[in-house]
Amino acid sequence: SQTIHQWPATLVQPVGSPLSLECTVEGTSNPNLYWYRQAAGRGLQLLFYSVGIGQISSEVPQNLSASRPQDRQFILSSKKLLLSDSGFYLCAWSSRRVTDTQYFGPGTRLTVL
Amino acid sequence: DQQVKQNSPSLSVQEGRISILNCDYTNSMFDYFLWYKKYPAEGPTFLISISSIKDKNEDGRFTVFLNKSAKHLSLHIVPSQPGDSAVYFCAASRIYGGATNKLIFGTGTLLAVQP
Repeated sequence: SQTIHQWPATLVQPVGSPLSLECTVEGTSNPNLYWYRQAAGRGLQLLFYSVGIGQISSEVPQNLSASRPQDRQFILSSKKLLLSDSGFYLCAWSSRRVTDTQYFGPGTRLTVL
Repeated sequence: DQQVKQNSPSLSVQEGRISILNCDYTNSMFDYFLWYKKYPAEGPTFLISISSIKDKNEDGRFTVFLNKSAKHLSLHIVPSQPGDSAVYFCAASRIYGGATNKLIFGTGTLLAVQP
């Protein structure tokens, strides 16, 4: 069966510090991968998605970037965090079929102080 | 511009009764709709989906209804159970015409089922 991991589970970072959140998927090959953010009182906003190694599409211009160095690894980064980067970050995967469900990881709670 | 809207931020229902969660969308190009359930500090879990070629899809206690002319869908939970208490997100995507399965989520509705 497929499993998706995210770490860390929680993170408190000062403004201006760098960020690296990692997501890995087990039990599947060539998945589509996604990064979402849920800000307080808001819905889930798609930040990035990837259909393959090194292929990243950005949905929202912002202070964040994403990379996919391996087939089942997706990384969310920032060089300098802003207060507005606080939120709940979720990684998701799906198969390549467009009708397939997206499955979410447990999430990372990021607080920028 | 919020393309998927859940206008009720919260809903309280008695155990055993029906819960009806509503969702409206503005983009007529959406052709695939999903409902996810989310507990605090966890990732959303998939509940049920419906394609635009259908107007109803049922899975156990969960039924999703789609009204394309009104650009409206709803999730019915019958009977409601205390374990159903969670935030429910509606999501939409455009899967035909070469699009990817990017999901546009609503803001969620917090369902509280009272014992």
